[in-house]
Amino acid sequence: KAGVTQTPRYLIKTRGQQVTLSCSPISGHRSVSWYQQTPGQGLQFLFEYFSETQRNKGNFPGRFSGRQFSNSRSEMNVSTLELGDSALYLCASSLGAVGNTIYFGEGSWLTVV
Amino acid sequence: GNSVTQMEGPVTLSEEAFLTINCTYTATGYPSLFWYVQYPGEGLQLLLKATKADDKGSNKGFEATYRKETTSFHLEKGSVQVSDSAVYFCALILNAGGTSYGKLTFGQGTILTVHP
Repeated sequence: KAGVTQTPRYLIKTRGQQVTLSCSPISGHRSVSWYQQTPGQGLQFLFEYFSETQRNKGNFPGRFSGRQFSNSRSEMNVSTLELGDSALYLCASSLGAVGNTIYFGEGSWLTVV
Repeated sequence: GNSVTQMEGPVTLSEEAFLTINCTYTATGYPSLFWYVQYPGEGLQLLLKATKADDKGSNKGFEATYRKETTSFHLEKGSVQVSDSAVYFCALILNAGGTSYGKLTFGQGTILTVHP
């Protein structure tokens, strides 16, 4: 069974640009959540989607957005990139019910220059 | 709010030594507890989990017991290997809906280095 797949794995962007990251969940999983990992702040929750609806959201500015498609695949977008957005962005999936285990992908490494 | 505190690292051990990484938590509700491991340049892998008090999670020789009375979930392994070198994260998720969906709360991570 394939795991959570994220693309691209590595990317470099310039300040002010925008970026879109993609995530394919484990087959059968309907919940996708996103996390940002930085050395200073650690792992922080961005948002969670289930059946194309955002069910939960962390404390990030509106420049960070996401969506989920009918096949449960998800994308997140960061607009007007800042240097501080450089991070590992992790996608995770689960079946979506309370208590279900959350499985992570390999992550997308974003560098903003 | 919810929080997870892990012992400060890095932890450096010799191969076959005993490992303990302490983890304590505070939670507004009733959580499930997890240990994730991150190898260099990779994402997070689930190591083990426990969903209720006194449950013991185990995997690949690692164990952790959910202690509600001490709000702890310490990770242990009897004999570490060089291949165990990684960053270990303790995490919790509330067993409730709403603002808990998909939201793991992580500790700061503990770097483990095992020397031959």
